[in-house]
Amino acid sequence: SQTIHQWPATLVQPVGSPLSLECTVEGTSNPNLYWYRQAAGRGLQLLFYSVGIGQISSEVPQNLSASRPQDRQFILSSKKLLLSDSGFYLCAWSSRAGGFDEQFFGPGTRLTVL
Amino acid sequence: QQQVKQSPQSLIVQKGGISIINCAYENTAFDYFPWYQQFPGKGPALLIAIRPDVSEKKEGRFTISFNKSAKQFSLHIMDSQPGDSATYFCAASKKLARLTFGEGTQLTVNP
Repeated sequence: SQTIHQWPATLVQPVGSPLSLECTVEGTSNPNLYWYRQAAGRGLQLLFYSVGIGQISSEVPQNLSASRPQDRQFILSSKKLLLSDSGFYLCAWSSRAGGFDEQFFGPGTRLTVL
Repeated sequence: QQQVKQSPQSLIVQKGGISIINCAYENTAFDYFPWYQQFPGKGPALLIAIRPDVSEKKEGRFTISFNKSAKQFSLHIMDSQPGDSATYFCAASKKLARLTFGEGTQLTVNP
């Protein structure tokens, strides 16, 4: 069966510090991968998605970047965090086999920027 | 054309009651409509999904009703329980395209 991991689970970082969040998927090959941010009590904001290694699409201009160095690894980064980067970051994957975007989410990373 | 509008933003239901969450879409090319359930501090989990070739799909206490002509679909939770208290997201997509999510509904089921 497929599983998706995210780490760390929680993170407290000072403004101006760098960020690296990691997401890995097991049990599937060639997945679509997504990064979402969720502010408290709000909806899901799609940040980045990837259809393959090295292929990243950005949905919103921001202080963050994403990379996909391996088929089942997706990394969210920042060189200098802002207060507004605080939130709940979710990674998701979907299979292209069925043709429909049935997404499965990871457990999330709670980021607090102070 | 890509929006999915979800209502209400929040919903309070008594235990044993029926919870109803509605979504409306604009893009007539959408043909996959899932619902996700998210508990506090957790990632959303796929709850139930429907394709437009059927008007209703039921899984246990959860039912999706789909009205293609009105471009609306809804989630019904029968015999709502306090453990159903969560945020629910509807979503829609067309084949080979990404999901578009609604803004979410925070459901509280009082004991």
